[in-house]
Amino acid sequence: GEDVEQSLFLSVREGDSSVINCTYTDSSSTYLYWYKQEPGAGLQLLTYIFSNMDMKQDQRLTVLLNKKDKHLSLRIADTQTGDSAIYFCAEEASKIIFGSGTRLSIRP
Amino acid sequence: ETGVTQSPTHLIKTRGQQVTLRCSSQSGHNTVSWYQQALGQGPQFIFQYYREEENGRGNFPPRFSGLQFPNYSSELNVNALELDDSALYLCASSQGTTGGTEAFFGQGTRLTVV
Repeated sequence: GEDVEQSLFLSVREGDSSVINCTYTDSSSTYLYWYKQEPGAGLQLLTYIFSNMDMKQDQRLTVLLNKKDKHLSLRIADTQTGDSAIYFCAEEASKIIFGSGTRLSIRP
Repeated sequence: ETGVTQSPTHLIKTRGQQVTLRCSSQSGHNTVSWYQQALGQGPQFIFQYYREEENGRGNFPPRFSGLQFPNYSSELNVNALELDDSALYLCASSQGTTGGTEAFFGQGTRLTVV
């Protein structure tokens, strides 16, 4: 069946890089997404990657996709306090399936 | 701001009642998807409407139903409310249903069933 798994928590020091990992199960997924959710807010699409790509970079964000292992990661360079949020990984085949989210907290 | 508006923002209902949640899609978008997000969980896909027709449904019982109107706004109806229906309900609008199309989410309606 379709399933997306992420670790629940990540704590990093301000200025360091954050790496959030995700595994998915549906090998027919065509797109994989990273969404950000701040307290009391809806979901904001950060970036997405097509399944035939290995990497996508967008400013401070780098997405790596290992399709063989069905592993997706999001690296945030120079993490700032404004990056504190819950980050959701999602896969799309016929519909979008979300993971449970990783709560990123920033230490001073 | 995404241009997707949901109403109401908060709602309290009693078990067994019925509820209607509303979503206005972003201008130019013809597709609305609904999600249920329980506390501490990721959003779960309920269903999607494309040009006024249901276009895919998740693992939710028939008491969850929906509509899409000619202006592409949408309603989610839930009958016979249960305590477990308490959640944040999110709608997302997009132009088309194909993958990679950016879906814009509203702020959500927080439903509490008591």
